Amino acid sequence: GAVVSQHPSWVICKSGTSVKIECRSLDFQATTMFWYRQFPKQSLMLMATSNEGSKATYEQGVEKDKFLINHASLTLSTLTVTSAHPEDSSFYICSATGTSGSNEQFFGPGTRLTVL
Amino acid sequence: AQRVTQPEKLLSVFKGAPVELKCNYSYSGSPELFWYVQYSRQRLQLLLRHISRESIKGFTADLNKGETSFHLKKPFAQEEDSAMYYCALGFSGGYNKLIFGAGTRLAVHP
Repeated sequence: GAVVSQHPSWVICKSGTSVKIECRSLDFQATTMFWYRQFPKQSLMLMATSNEGSKATYEQGVEKDKFLINHASLTLSTLTVTSAHPEDSSFYICSATGTSGSNEQFFGPGTRLTVL
Repeated sequence: AQRVTQPEKLLSVFKGAPVELKCNYSYSGSPELFWYVQYSRQRLQLLLRHISRESIKGFTADLNKGETSFHLKKPFAQEEDSAMYYCALGFSGGYNKLIFGAGTRLAVHP
């Protein structure tokens, strides 16, 4: 149980285009979903936290107009990288917590974004 | 401010040797500590958390509030333990966020 999927697993796009990444909780309702960015050989950096039906909360230094997050249902959150540039190339990982009240997060497999 | 420190980027040991991956945290409230593991080409997965006080795959970790530490230990390392290990601090900042340490790569050699 507690499986989180991401789609796509990898994407290559041209500079200036927008890319949408989906994060789904497959077998549980995710009250909160998190989006992380991971650079090669580095730790996960929390970008934003989203709760279903409300606006996402962005961490300091993360441009909310650049990284649009939508959490329309208890099983789906999307991250849209708008007007992507090569410096946005990274590994994006989502996670989700359920309704148990614990801080345990269940992670997706990640999405590799390459902007040419 | 909340912070998690993992001082070692790489820990290299031989099979059968004891392992200790260090983790220190900074948090004024009541912490919830986790160890996550990421095997090669796999997603991050929970290894253990302090409130469970359990041993998973031979690993244990004890929360020491006096030293603000949550070191991960295993008495006899196995080759399959080779992975990236992340210590994480959970706190109720309104959204149950996790703050991750930089991670320690454990390499167990035959």
